[in-house]
Amino acid sequence: AQSVAQPEDQVNVAEGNPLTVKCTYSVSGNPYLFWYVQYPNRGLQFLLKYITGDNLVKGSYGFEAEFNKSQTSFHLKKPSALVSDSALYFCAVRDITRGSTLGRLYFGRGTQLTVWP
Amino acid sequence: DGGITQSPKYLFRKEGQNVTLSCEQNLNHDAMYWYRQDPGQGLRLIYYSQIVNDFQKGDIAEGYSVSREKKESFPLTVTSAQKNPTAFYLCASVADRGRINQPQHFGDGTRLSIL
Repeated sequence: AQSVAQPEDQVNVAEGNPLTVKCTYSVSGNPYLFWYVQYPNRGLQFLLKYITGDNLVKGSYGFEAEFNKSQTSFHLKKPSALVSDSALYFCAVRDITRGSTLGRLYFGRGTQLTVWP
Repeated sequence: DGGITQSPKYLFRKEGQNVTLSCEQNLNHDAMYWYRQDPGQGLRLIYYSQIVNDFQKGDIAEGYSVSREKKESFPLTVTSAQKNPTAFYLCASVADRGRINQPQHFGDGTRLSIL
């Protein structure tokens, strides 16, 4: 079965400092991994994905994520945080096994990122 | 612009009442999904549909029903059997199921509350 864990409910960083939001996954087969961001009372916005290839994936708004197969992790990073990055972040893995559940996403519980000035 | 439209943005339900949440997409996507979001619990899958006239139960389908009569529409009915319907409901869609490397697109949600 597919699953995702986000071990931190909250991450707090000062503006200008680097940030990391952690994600670990469990999948059958190769992982298709995604990061989304959610602002209050809005839907989820896609940030970036890992399918195959380079372990460092670059996405929207200066975010990047590092895929580590041996540690089954896909941590979201940004070199210099902005106050406007404050939001709820979700990691997700796609089910790519055969059958009726093909294509569905499994989400982590979310990590609330707060960047203070 | 292509996207997903959910309506209404806020909805109130009385005891014993069924309510229907609308989800419309003009992205020409085949697959559509309904999620329920509660604080601290992430997103939980209610129902999904990969093709017109076909849909599957997700992890928390009890007390909900859906239909998929048109490719662009996937309404969700919250029935009176759903005893704790207060939540934020999100609809999503994704391109053809063969292109599973594509991200899901989300609407802006409907917040349902009990009167």
